[in-house]
Amino acid sequence: AQKVTQAQTEISVVEKEDVTLDCVYETRDTTYYLFWYKQPPSGELVFLIRRNSFDEQNEISGRYSWNFQKSTSSFNFTITASQVVDSAVYFCALSEVNTGGFKTIFGAGTRLFVKA
Amino acid sequence: GAVVSQHPSRVICKSGTSVKIECRSLDFQATTMFWYRQFPKQSLMLMATSNEGSKATYEQGVEKDKFLINHASLTLSTLTVTSAHPEDSSFYICSARGGLAGGGLTYEQYFGPGTRLTVT
Repeated sequence: AQKVTQAQTEISVVEKEDVTLDCVYETRDTTYYLFWYKQPPSGELVFLIRRNSFDEQNEISGRYSWNFQKSTSSFNFTITASQVVDSAVYFCALSEVNTGGFKTIFGAGTRLFVKA
Repeated sequence: GAVVSQHPSRVICKSGTSVKIECRSLDFQATTMFWYRQFPKQSLMLMATSNEGSKATYEQGVEKDKFLINHASLTLSTLTVTSAHPEDSSFYICSARGGLAGGGLTYEQYFGPGTRLTVT
């Protein structure tokens, strides 16, 4: 069965610090997708990134970067030079293609507080 | 990108009444829709998966008679919370996946903005 673990419940940093949000996943499927979403206080999910299981290239988008390592089943997310607007709950999620019917299962989320 | 809307965005109802939440895909045909529930400060929990024209598949522990899901068209799915009670108060989020022109489903899943239900 698919599972996503975000061990960090809450993280608090001071503005301009770098912060890494951890995500570890479990799946028996060979084909799957990994996602990160941001959920601000409004509640609406904001899509950040999607990665398929065959693409282990790390990605950088502005201050955001993602490190996908199949060997450790991890898909960590780093925010460089954090800003107050980054304060939100961040969810890592997993969709299994062959065995999960594309259902997306979410981790527990990490609440990030960025202080000015 | 594709847009998914939900209506209403907020609803307050009295205990014992039923509430219907609509989820619409605005610019694509959603062959599959998912309904999630999120309690305060918790994660999104998948409630059910619905494919257009067929019965929804509920996750373990979700009462199908309480949470009625109808996916009657390729752009609309509804979730009806029947005989709502205060413990049903939650944030309900739908998401939709569309079909590809050549057949099959896209892996893209688009989320609606959510509906906050409060049962008094």
